[in-house]
Amino acid sequence: NAGVTQTPKFQVLKTGQSMTLQCAQDMNHNSMYWYRQDPGMGLRLIYYSASEGTTDKGEVPNGYNVSRLNKREFSLRLESAAPSQTSVYFCASSEVGWDDYGYTFGSGTRLTVV
Amino acid sequence: GENVEQHPSTLSVQEGDSAVIKCTYSDSASNYFPWYKQELGKGPQLIIDIRSNVGEKKDQRIAVTLNKTAKHFSLHITETQPEDSAVYFCADSGGGADGLTFGKGTHLIIQP
Repeated sequence: NAGVTQTPKFQVLKTGQSMTLQCAQDMNHNSMYWYRQDPGMGLRLIYYSASEGTTDKGEVPNGYNVSRLNKREFSLRLESAAPSQTSVYFCASSEVGWDDYGYTFGSGTRLTVV
Repeated sequence: GENVEQHPSTLSVQEGDSAVIKCTYSDSASNYFPWYKQELGKGPQLIIDIRSNVGEKKDQRIAVTLNKTAKHFSLHITETQPEDSAVYFCADSGGGADGLTFGKGTHLIIQP
């Protein structure tokens, strides 16, 4: 049982380049989330998808777009990367009743923008 | 918006001693309070959680207490071991549908 799988694990981009971070879960969860983690800032929500076909902005959505491709997959896209987007990105998923089971996190993507 | 404050940011304890991490929240509608442990290079992992209708919950060496009146909850780890060294995050559900709000984390260091 793989849980939540994120690819790639590491990435270096030049300023202005674009890329898509992939996330897939095999637990049949309805809700999926993208967080970024910066030193001293904790985990901040970028976007979330409460169910297949819906997406909503979180606390820090600027510079990002998302696609809920199907129930399993939720991708995060940086259209024009900036150094301020250097961070560790985590995808998570949960049941509809997420306050019953909490989140399952992926292992993260470490992104550096130079 | 919802705010979760977590203290301390770093905590160093001797192996075998107890560790306590505290969080306060602002949204009175919050009803779910999980704690996550993050080891180096890995994603956060749920270790224990508590709901608003319960004041305390234990699981072996870890426990969580909740004071809804004061809007704070705490993680207690007893008989600490080297493998407890990690970053711990508290979170709460807030009153909306956008999931959990996290504290900034506590780096727990277990001294041999």
